[in-house]
Amino acid sequence: DAGVIQSPRHEVTEMGQEVTLRCKPISGHNSLFWYRQTMMRGLELLIYFNNNVPIDDSGMPEDRFSAKMPNASFSTLKIQPSEPRDSAVYFCASSLVGLAGLYNEQFFGPGTRLTVL
Amino acid sequence: GESVGLHLPTLSVQEGDNSIINCAYSNSASDYFIWYKQESGKGPQFIIDIRSNMDKRQGQRVTVLLNKTVKHLSLQIAATQPGDSAVYFCAENIGGGKLIFGQGTELSVKP
Repeated sequence: DAGVIQSPRHEVTEMGQEVTLRCKPISGHNSLFWYRQTMMRGLELLIYFNNNVPIDDSGMPEDRFSAKMPNASFSTLKIQPSEPRDSAVYFCASSLVGLAGLYNEQFFGPGTRLTVL
Repeated sequence: GESVGLHLPTLSVQEGDNSIINCAYSNSASDYFIWYKQESGKGPQFIIDIRSNMDKRQGQRVTVLLNKTVKHLSLQIAATQPGDSAVYFCAENIGGGKLIFGQGTELSVKP
């Protein structure tokens, strides 16, 4: 298995531009998570999906951020308009939640390093 | 001006020694805990996990101890190697598969 795939690996954009980050979870996993990592705040959960349905988006900083999961093998995190304070590494992770609601480890992708100038 | 970042706790050990990394978690209802290792420029990598009905779990060279009374988690690495140098995070499942991560501890292994 290729693991969690994220693209692009690096993104440099100017303030005000739209940014779209992409994620392909591990095949067979039913939960997908988006995280943001900064030196100031560490690793923060932004939103997560279970069976393609958003379950908890309380970590999404503001309305400029949105996430979608149109199918089990693809998710996007969009920032529009982007601001310099959005500069961070964004990670996608996936896991398999068992039938009894038993949680298992989350597997992380390599991350997208976003720089907003 | 420059932003002030997190000052991660740092543990420095000699190659071959055992390492113990500690973590305090916040939610007494958390039922699942994970230790992750993150190397520079990479995503967090799963090391070992433990459920709340256990107090100890062993893997290859690693052991996790869980003390629910004081909400404390530790990771023990036996015979630490230079390749173990990384930032280590504990994470707790506070419900619904939602993980909350600790701030991390930087492990530095001296050859």
